[in-house]
Amino acid sequence: KQEVTQIPAALSVPEGENLVLNCSFTDSAIYNLQWFRQDPGKGLTSLLLIQSSQREQTSGRLNASLDKSSGRSTLYIAASQPGDSATYLCAGTGNQFYFGTGTSLTVIP
Amino acid sequence: DTAVSQTPKYLVTQMGNDKSIKCEQNLGHDTMYWYKQDSKKFLKIMFSYNNKELIINETVPNRFSPKSPDKAHLNLHINSLELGDSAVYFCASSQDQYGYTFGSGTRLTVV
Repeated sequence: KQEVTQIPAALSVPEGENLVLNCSFTDSAIYNLQWFRQDPGKGLTSLLLIQSSQREQTSGRLNASLDKSSGRSTLYIAASQPGDSATYLCAGTGNQFYFGTGTSLTVIP
Repeated sequence: DTAVSQTPKYLVTQMGNDKSIKCEQNLGHDTMYWYKQDSKKFLKIMFSYNNKELIINETVPNRFSPKSPDKAHLNLHINSLELGDSAVYFCASSQDQYGYTFGSGTRLTVV
């Protein structure tokens, strides 16, 4: 059974810092890897999708990479802003769609 | 132009009642899902439907029943609601190898 773990569980950084969120999965037989953002009391917003043939995706200050051989994905956020404060979830699709445990990010002004 | 829409957004009901949550997607996706997010923010799949066929059914109580009148809709019906059913329920859709699109969630509170 696929298990997806995100480290750290919580992260607090001052505004302007670059940061990395980690996601690891136990079964490398995933197809796609998707990163989501969830604001308190809100739904899930898709940030980046890395399809099976890709290794990374970039959108603005966000960059996500996927290494299937090691079972890891990272989300890099450059020049963090208070508006980036949210919970970040990674999810991998194999036979099913498995969510990670989430990283709660707080960016301090 | 909401891609995946769920109604209602909030639902407060008493134990023992029967309730439904509706979900509609206008993306033309083939597969729709229901997820439950618990108090620890962990998302767990409940059901998925592909072209009206149930293809995933996790070990959820049979009080929960998905109903899909057509490819664009997947409703969730819950019988005899219990306190432990309180959670946020998310609908989602996907198409082949492309990513998932989620609804904004329905916060169910059973009192």
